[in-house]
Amino acid sequence: DIQMTQSPSSLSASVGDRVTITCRASQSISSYLNWYQQKPGKAPKVLIYGTSSLQSGVPSRFSGSGSGTDFTLTISSLQPEDFATYSCQQSYSTPYTFGQGTKLEIK
Amino acid sequence: QLQLQESGPGLVKPSETLSLSCDVSGGSLSSPSHYWGWIRQPPGKGLEWIGNIYYSGSTYYNPSLKSRVTISVDTSRNRFSLKLSFVTAADTAVYYCARRYYSVPGWFDPWGQGTLVTVSS
Repeated sequence: DIQMTQSPSSLSASVGDRVTITCRASQSISSYLNWYQQKPGKAPKVLIYGTSSLQSGVPSRFSGSGSGTDFTLTISSLQPEDFATYSCQQSYSTPYTFGQGTKLEIK
Repeated sequence: QLQLQESGPGLVKPSETLSLSCDVSGGSLSSPSHYWGWIRQPPGKGLEWIGNIYYSGSTYYNPSLKSRVTISVDTSRNRFSLKLSFVTAADTAVYYCARRYYSVPGWFDPWGQGTLVTVSS
């Protein structure tokens, strides 16, 4: 199985901050990396697919980059509604695997 | 707008079979452009992919669960289902159904709201 490791596991930031979350795969996954946002008690929602493609309706302050084994999710200017847990997921090969999540909290 | 809704018992006894259904509305389960999947999340933990099914009935399972999992599809009712046998407390989780795009990179969207299944006697 491909292991997905996110860092940090938790992060405190303020509204307006620029935030970067990292996801590392245990082997190359090309660009087959997706990012999800999950709020407490809610289902995950896709933000970015294929490393850098923004899902329809997702604000442009979210962006993704990377290739191979190292990927990043960047939020350019944090908004109050962005405080949530973010998870990466590889869709390169089955079993599809997710990172353990990064909890973004208000400082 | 496509919507998915999970349903099934919220409490299952150890060693029994967990059975859940996912009703799809606002779209067809027979779409050749999508898979349909189950993902679970134990309380306070990360997401785990369980398996996918295509409208034709082709299935793909997580090897860690393969011996206990069956996913089936009923296109006439626009519903797909999950069965997980011989459950233990480790199977306690929120279970989500979701659509997965057939073409790469194959992300999951949308998701159902999720249903909590507790394994306990």
